[in-house]
Amino acid sequence: DAKTTQPNSMESNEEEPVHLPCNHSTISGTDYIHWYRQLPSQGPEYVIHGLTSNVNNRMASLAIAEDRKSSTLILHRATLRDAAVYYCILRVFSNNAGNMLTFGGGTRLMVKP
Amino acid sequence: NAGVTQTPKFQVLKTGQSMTLQCAQDMNHNSMYWYRQDPGMGLRLIYYSASEGTTDKGEVPNGYNVSRLNKREFSLRLESAAPSQTSVYFCASSTYRGLGTEAFFGQGTRLTVV
Repeated sequence: DAKTTQPNSMESNEEEPVHLPCNHSTISGTDYIHWYRQLPSQGPEYVIHGLTSNVNNRMASLAIAEDRKSSTLILHRATLRDAAVYYCILRVFSNNAGNMLTFGGGTRLMVKP
Repeated sequence: NAGVTQTPKFQVLKTGQSMTLQCAQDMNHNSMYWYRQDPGMGLRLIYYSASEGTTDKGEVPNGYNVSRLNKREFSLRLESAAPSQTSVYFCASSTYRGLGTEAFFGQGTRLTVV
């Protein structure tokens, strides 16, 4: 299975942009890059996903390197509510298992007021 | 929309007791998953059901059994609970093929085995 590598933790100031990096050097051509976050005492929630092109939604932006071996989740203005563990995941498909989400350790984002 | 509903939310068991964690989704998803999350760790896949009528082992299946009761419901059973099974359990659902679709997670069941 393709793996991702993320920093264990990052810190940001409130109202400032945050760039969360992810390396996935063994990504294959059909793997989608997904980001989920987990707020304290909550289940994971979807943030954004992409395949090749950069993506924007109401929560964040996803910048994907041209060779697809890395990506960056961008929170444009961090709020205290954005303090969470952010997981970068490669979503793969197999006939046996369907869509799979394999979690790594994630990045714990701390936001300072 | 309820999404993914897990019951119970909290449970304390004695070593050797059995219990079933329930999960139901109302999004007509084919695939359902059970994960466990130990303190300070990421989620690890216990069992999954890619489609109704099929189940398969994930990364950490020992000590667990599952039943895909119908398309909506996927239960996880601990036959003889052990302290090592103290964890937070999450159920998730998603489409079968749509790699570009999101998965939905329940709020978790916090299980303590004493």
